[in-house]
Amino acid sequence: ILNVEQSPQSLHVQEGDSTNFTCSFPSSNFYALHWYRWETAKSPEALFVMTLNGDEKKKGRISATLNTKEGYSYLYIKGSQPEDSATYLCAALGGSNYKLTFGKGTLLTVNP
Amino acid sequence: NAGVMQNPRHLVRRRGQEARLRCSPMKGHSHVYWYRQLPEEGLKFMVYLQKENIIDESGMPKERFSAEFPKEGPSILRIQQVVRGDSAAYFCASSPPPTGGNQPQHFGDGTRLSIL
Repeated sequence: ILNVEQSPQSLHVQEGDSTNFTCSFPSSNFYALHWYRWETAKSPEALFVMTLNGDEKKKGRISATLNTKEGYSYLYIKGSQPEDSATYLCAALGGSNYKLTFGKGTLLTVNP
Repeated sequence: NAGVMQNPRHLVRRRGQEARLRCSPMKGHSHVYWYRQLPEEGLKFMVYLQKENIIDESGMPKERFSAEFPKEGPSILRIQQVVRGDSAAYFCASSPPPTGGNQPQHFGDGTRLSIL
């Protein structure tokens, strides 16, 4: 059974601040690490899928890194905006290529 | 809208009734996943289906819960004789064949099930 942990649980930042969150997962039987952005009353939206140790992905002001040997991934947001306010979920695939195990998410609130 | 469609968005049932939740995958996707989010919990995997096949139902409660994805029509998650503990948000996701684990799953807006 995978155990995916995210920290912090919640985060309040001011507009313009840069921020990052952590996702940790078991490094054995690793297939992939997914990041999703989940706004209230909407569906989770895929941000990144990473599979290789050292992977770095970027979409606009959001980027992510992956360390499969030590079992962690970081998500970075540069120059946070109020519209970045959402819950950021990470999910690991381990032992299968389809069964996502989600963390509980990091709730980001960006104050104008 | 070519996204994953779930209905109903909200469903209220009394204890002992049946709940049917529907999910139409994204166009071109033949792989469907159901997840449940209990209050104060994260998304938990329930079942993975392809057309006419249940591939992995290891996350489904052993009794009262069933899922299908027929050749024609949406995937259905069925809960018989609902109890208060079934109150949760149920999410469906779809993807192309998940080879190598590098395909993101595309989620619907979920069905919020409330049991009176």
